[in-house]
Amino acid sequence: KAGVTQTPRYLIKTRGQQVTLSCSPISGHRSVSWYQQTPGQGLQFLFEYFSETQRNKGNFPGRFSGRQFSNSRSEMNVSTLELGDSALYLCASSLGQINNEQFFGPGTRLTVL
Amino acid sequence: AQRVTQPEKLLSVFKGAPVELKCNYSYSGSPELFWYVQYSRQRLQLLLRHISRESIKGFTADLNKGETSFHLKKPFAQEEDSAMYYCALKDSNYQLIWGAGTKLIIKP
Repeated sequence: KAGVTQTPRYLIKTRGQQVTLSCSPISGHRSVSWYQQTPGQGLQFLFEYFSETQRNKGNFPGRFSGRQFSNSRSEMNVSTLELGDSALYLCASSLGQINNEQFFGPGTRLTVL
Repeated sequence: AQRVTQPEKLLSVFKGAPVELKCNYSYSGSPELFWYVQYSRQRLQLLLRHISRESIKGFTADLNKGETSFHLKKPFAQEEDSAMYYCALKDSNYQLIWGAGTKLIIKP
């Protein structure tokens, strides 16, 4: 099976811009979760989608949003970028039940200048 | 508040020595606990989870509800164990709460 893919792998934006990141889960996986990883805060949960519905959301401002399509692919959007949004954004997919293993993508490295 | 604590940012041991990576959690319900590992230039991947009660690559972890701990142990460290290790807790809302991670360095 092909693994989780994320595009783009690297992105440079300036403050105030918006960005859209994409995640393609493993075939058959219906759950997609997004995480932000920074040196200072570590890994933080953003949100999780299951069958096109946001099932859970972490403690991030409304500038961070996401969606999931019928083929389980997911996108996350960050509007009005701030310097502090610079991070590695990880996507993970799973079959969807609470004890299912999550499989991670390589991440998208976002740099905000 | 739900929290996962990994008190050591860095742990350095000699090859062949025992390894223990500490993880403590704070959670009011019945936790689902995991250890994830990230080797250099590789993706984050699941190492083991407490419900499986398995040993992966010689590592084991026992859930101690009394001490709210889920320490990762290996009796004899190998150089290929050098990596970043994360302890994580999944709550009833499917949210993974992560520890800050411990960088394990195995010295030859």
